[in-house]
Amino acid sequence: DAGVIQSPRHEVTEMGQEVTLRCKPISGHNSLFWYRQTMMRGLELLIYFNNNVPIDDSGMPEDRFSAKMPNASFSTLKIQPSEPRDSAVYFCASTGTSVNEQFFGPGTRLTVL
Amino acid sequence: DQQVKQNSPSLSVQEGRISILNCDYTNSMFDYFLWYKKYPAEGPTFLISISSIKDKNEDGRFTVFLNKSAKHLSLHIVPSQPGDSAVYFCAAPDPYGNKLVFGAGTILRVKS
Repeated sequence: DAGVIQSPRHEVTEMGQEVTLRCKPISGHNSLFWYRQTMMRGLELLIYFNNNVPIDDSGMPEDRFSAKMPNASFSTLKIQPSEPRDSAVYFCASTGTSVNEQFFGPGTRLTVL
Repeated sequence: DQQVKQNSPSLSVQEGRISILNCDYTNSMFDYFLWYKKYPAEGPTFLISISSIKDKNEDGRFTVFLNKSAKHLSLHIVPSQPGDSAVYFCAAPDPYGNKLVFGAGTILRVKS
């Protein structure tokens, strides 16, 4: 299995631009999580899906952030418009029956200038 | 409100010595705890876990201790190796939802 796949690995953009991060979970996993890692706050859960349905989006910082999961094998996290304070590493993770062992992707390092 | 706290941002240890990483929690309903390890440019990976019915779980060089009365757990690495240098996250499943609550992480540097 290829594991959780994220793209792009690195993204550099200018303030005000739209950014779309992509994630392909492990096949057969039914829960998908989006996290943001920063020095100050560590790993923050932004949103998670169960069977493609958003369950908890309380961690999404602002309306500028949105996430979709149109099918079991694909999810996007969009930031529009992006701001410099959105600069961070964004991780996607998936899990099957047990929430305890989440499998993380390699992350997308986002830099907003 | 941080329910899982790792108060030491970083730790530096000599190769061969013991590394002790600490984690405190506030929610008494947590009944399972996990440690994840993260190398640069990679996602976190599961390392070791412990259920609240135990006070110790050992896996090779890694041992996690749980003190429920103090709401404290620690990860011991003996002996520490340079390859252990990474960020270590403590986490617990949220009792109200299908998600993990993570601490801020501790950067471990093992010097050779």
